Amino acid sequence: GENVEQHPSTLSVQEGDSAVIKCTYSDSASNYFPWYKQELGKRPQLIIDIRSNVGEKKDQRIAVTLNKTAKHFSLHITETQPEDSAVYFCAATDSGTYKYIFGTGTRLKVLA
Amino acid sequence: ETGVTQTPRHLVMGMTNKKSLKCEQHLGHNAMYWYKQSAKKPLELMFVYNFKEQTENNSVPSRFSPECPNSSHLFLHLHTLQPEDSALYLCASSQLWGQEGEQYFGPGTRLTVT
Repeated sequence: GENVEQHPSTLSVQEGDSAVIKCTYSDSASNYFPWYKQELGKRPQLIIDIRSNVGEKKDQRIAVTLNKTAKHFSLHITETQPEDSAVYFCAATDSGTYKYIFGTGTRLKVLA
Repeated sequence: ETGVTQTPRHLVMGMTNKKSLKCEQHLGHNAMYWYKQSAKKPLELMFVYNFKEQTENNSVPSRFSPECPNSSHLFLHLHTLQPEDSALYLCASSQLWGQEGEQYFGPGTRLTVT
């Protein structure tokens, strides 16, 4: 089955700097990779996703890149703001069961 | 609000108690999920229901018993829990099981087993 590893577990950046969170997956047939943001005490919410037929997707200050050969994908946040502070989870679909397999999360702190 | 509600938001129970968690979605979705979120662990899928039928049981102990009376409601019945079952239990829904796309999460029930 699918296994997802996420790094780093914590990340502190200065406001205005960029943040990068990386995930690797094991199932070469995985074809869908969502990213969720969970603010303190709130529910996880989808912020961006990418399908395996695309190498990069961008939505304003957020972008995701996918390297199928290396089986890794990354979340990029540019011009970080204090409201970007949250826990970010990556996920990949298990091709056999369709389950979303989540990473362990990255706690991002944006320092003002 | 995202349209997925959960009650109660907090629950403290003893190991011999029986309690139930409730989830309701107002999004017209057909798939509903229970996840367990523990500190420093990934979100763990517990159960999946698609059109009221259970399609996934992710090797969950029998002390957790799900119930899905219709596509809008999902319950998790708890009995004889262990302290290690203390966690945030999240309900989610999506249009269909096995389809790509967003899973909409509820706010969760923070469960403490004493």
